[in-house]
Amino acid sequence: DIQMTQSPSSLSASVGDRVTITCRASQSISSYLNWYQQKPGKAPKLLIYAASSLQSGVPSRFSGSGSGTDFTLTISSLQPEDFATYYCQQSYSTSITFGQGTRLEIK
Amino acid sequence: QVQLVQSGAEVKKPGSSVKVSCKASGGTFSSYAISWVRQAPGQGLEWMGGIIPIFGTANYAQKFQGRVTITTDESTSTAYMELSSLRSEDTAVYYCARDLGSGFAHWFDPWGQGTLVTVSS
Repeated sequence: DIQMTQSPSSLSASVGDRVTITCRASQSISSYLNWYQQKPGKAPKLLIYAASSLQSGVPSRFSGSGSGTDFTLTISSLQPEDFATYYCQQSYSTSITFGQGTRLEIK
Repeated sequence: QVQLVQSGAEVKKPGSSVKVSCKASGGTFSSYAISWVRQAPGQGLEWMGGIIPIFGTANYAQKFQGRVTITTDESTSTAYMELSSLRSEDTAVYYCARDLGSGFAHWFDPWGQGTLVTVSS
């Protein structure tokens, strides 16, 4: 299976901060990389697909970039509702895998 | 707008099986794939497998091969995930999700609300 490693595992930030989360694949996955947000007790929500395409309805402060093995999710100006756990997911392999998650907490 | 509604929480004994349902409304059920993802308490997301209703063929993660069966009933727009030989480590919230994209591209939106399966003697 392709291993997806996110960094950091947890992050403390303040409202208004610019935040970047990194996801690294154990082999090249082209641009087959998606990002999700999950709040406690809720199902994940799709934010970014195909590395950089913003899902409809998702605020433009979220953006994604990267290709090959290294990808980033950036939140340009943190809002109170953005404190959550974020997951990357690859679909290059027929066995889909997720990163371990990055927990974004209020400083 | 597609909405996925899952069946309720289950408590199962070790060695038994569980079957979770996922009923779709809105959209054309047979035209998109459904995947199942689980999340153990306090842990991350784990893809189990998926199915395209119009083809009826499922693809399973190797970890679950032989233990999981994903099926669909187009007449009721419902997908099912059955997991057998349950053990305590299978205690988790099980999600269904619409699997978008094609070829190598697969992303999940929307998701069902989740079904908690507890395996305990």
